[in-house]
Amino acid sequence: SQQGEEDPQALSIQEGENATMNCSYKTSINNLQWYRQNSGRGLVHLILIRSNEREKHSGRLRVTLDTSKKSSSLLITASRAADTASYFCATDAKAYSGAGSYQLTFGKGTKLSVIP
Amino acid sequence: DVKVTQSSRYLVKRTGEKVFLECVQDMDHENMFWYRQDPGLGLRLIYFSYDVKMKEKGDIPEGYSVSREKKERFSLILESASTNQTSMYLCASCKPRLAVEQYFGPGTRLTVT
Repeated sequence: SQQGEEDPQALSIQEGENATMNCSYKTSINNLQWYRQNSGRGLVHLILIRSNEREKHSGRLRVTLDTSKKSSSLLITASRAADTASYFCATDAKAYSGAGSYQLTFGKGTKLSVIP
Repeated sequence: DVKVTQSSRYLVKRTGEKVFLECVQDMDHENMFWYRQDPGLGLRLIYFSYDVKMKEKGDIPEGYSVSREKKERFSLILESASTNQTSMYLCASCKPRLAVEQYFGPGTRLTVT
């Protein structure tokens, strides 16, 4: 069953505003990752946060992780039109072992539109 | 520059045809994955492979098989294509370690008519 669920499903903002996307998951994890997908293309990795981390930054991206609530958020500051894309969270599962450890379960994504 | 390539960007096949989707990576990754992506359902794992000739079923393996004869190449096979297999297919690869990113190919949009 799918672990990650993003919220909202779609988000439309003006250029320069901040965009916040949320992800909730169901079982214990080792890591949570965020990916971006431009329309009709493959996914590109943005950032990874480990279960013992609470916050991580990368350029205009800020990710938080709350393992007690099984949730994460991705903040994109000072958004640009080029940030228009779908954003997915992906989790591994602590319960898996061996080769299964490397599986990621992806959410359904948040579609972000940044209006110039 | 690391790369995952997929044999076709767009593919149109008829119901009942045997379909091969190929994925090649140049990063010497042990792990390779096939996903399908459908609107409203996100990415779902079909099969993955953690070594040559090794494979594991993902969440939705029914109607699919895979082949990994060489480390760099992972093929997804639709034995008898059906219209409900019309989808975007994404291949990915990664090193066999925790806390590593998966590298994705550009995707193959398959239409079965």
